[in-house]
Amino acid sequence: GQQLNQSPQSMFIQEGEDVSMNCTSSSIFNTWLWYKQDPGEGPVLLIALYKAGELTSNGRLTAQFGITRKDSFLNISASIPSDVGIYFCAGQSFNQGGKLIFGQGTELSVKP
Amino acid sequence: DAGVIQSPRHEVTEMGQEVTLRCKPISGHDYLFWYRQTMMRGLELLIYFNNNVPIDDSGMPEDRFSAKMPNASFSTLKIQPSEPRDSAVYFCASSLVGQGRSPLHFGNGTRLTVT
Repeated sequence: GQQLNQSPQSMFIQEGEDVSMNCTSSSIFNTWLWYKQDPGEGPVLLIALYKAGELTSNGRLTAQFGITRKDSFLNISASIPSDVGIYFCAGQSFNQGGKLIFGQGTELSVKP
Repeated sequence: DAGVIQSPRHEVTEMGQEVTLRCKPISGHDYLFWYRQTMMRGLELLIYFNNNVPIDDSGMPEDRFSAKMPNASFSTLKIQPSEPRDSAVYFCASSLVGQGRSPLHFGNGTRLTVT
């Protein structure tokens, strides 16, 4: 089945630094989504991307749907301690019955 | 807005016992999903329903797993008999329309430990 490669697996940064993470796939997706999961909770949607090339922002977060439809990135600017958590990309392909496939996650640690 | 409600939050059981996980989706959401999260395999879709009807159960690991949705406001995931390798966090999620076209709203999960 389809696989999503998400990198990096973990990041340790200083408060105020910018963060970038990305997901790649060997096949095309129609939708890219970015979720954040806090400890003991379920993932929460951050940004949804529906068109190739689309660039969308949500506060300090910016995500882009790659032109090739096989990748997406998420940037976080000026990180703060509450950005700590696990970030997941997720892709949906109509060719796969619309199933949402999740990446393995990027664990972000922010040092005050 | 109560969100997706799952119970119990934690379940510890012995191998061989039956386990039932419960989910109440957000009112008005037509899609309900059951996911399993482990360190090794990440988030895996087990099964999803549309208007209470199971659409795709290809992610259900084996016959020991079953899921039902008797009405629009309630779903169960049952494991019988349970095994230690079933230990994971099980999430229920709901959405207004199909996957990807509207946000998935996740519950806070049930952490299952099978000893």
